Amino acid sequence: QVQLVESGGGVVQPGRSLRLSCAASGFTFSSYALHWVRQAPGKGLEWVALISYDGSNKYYADSVRGRFTISRDNSKNTLFLQMNSLRAEDTAIYHCARDLGGYLNNWGQGTLVTVSS
Amino acid sequence: SYELTQPPSVSVSPGQTASITCSGDKLGDKYTCWYQQKPGQSPVLVIYQDTKRPSGIPERFSGSNSGNTATLTISGTQAMDEADYYCQAWDSSTMVFGGGTKLTVL
Repeated sequence: QVQLVESGGGVVQPGRSLRLSCAASGFTFSSYALHWVRQAPGKGLEWVALISYDGSNKYYADSVRGRFTISRDNSKNTLFLQMNSLRAEDTAIYHCARDLGGYLNNWGQGTLVTVSS
Repeated sequence: SYELTQPPSVSVSPGQTASITCSGDKLGDKYTCWYQQKPGQSPVLVIYQDTKRPSGIPERFSGSNSGNTATLTISGTQAMDEADYYCQAWDSSTMVFGGGTKLTVL
């Protein structure tokens, strides 16, 4: 079955960096676009970024553009999110999700990022 | 930027029909999908491409989309349907979520 497992979250000071990973299994990783979606504590879902199946196209929410970079390694079935210049408002659970055609049919359990001094 | 507006909360009695709306400019021209999220869990897709149900989603979940409003309808609502529901659409190459609706079954 499809599995997406995020890792790399933790507590980080404002202005610092963090790299999230999402290990995938149970499907042909290199055939699907992937997303990062976050959810601040007690808040709604917020789309963060999208990467095409081959990594050639990347799109970002305005709130993270220029600070976050999405990437993937199709040889290792892994998705990444490099987060720089972190702010308190980036505190959230970060989920990776598989795109089946504009909708997200598989989600990971998420990894918590806390930005605090 | 494009916005999707949902009511913060909807209440329904068990066995009755719940309707959750999602409004956006010319939303009917876009595909809309819906996610269910229970406390402490990841979201689950319940409707995609306006009206389609993924495998394993009960038939009591249905969707529609016309004009400026998409609607998720839950017929014969059960206690297990109590959750947060989010609509989602695309604007250019940006995915947009609604603010979410808390469905209470009481």
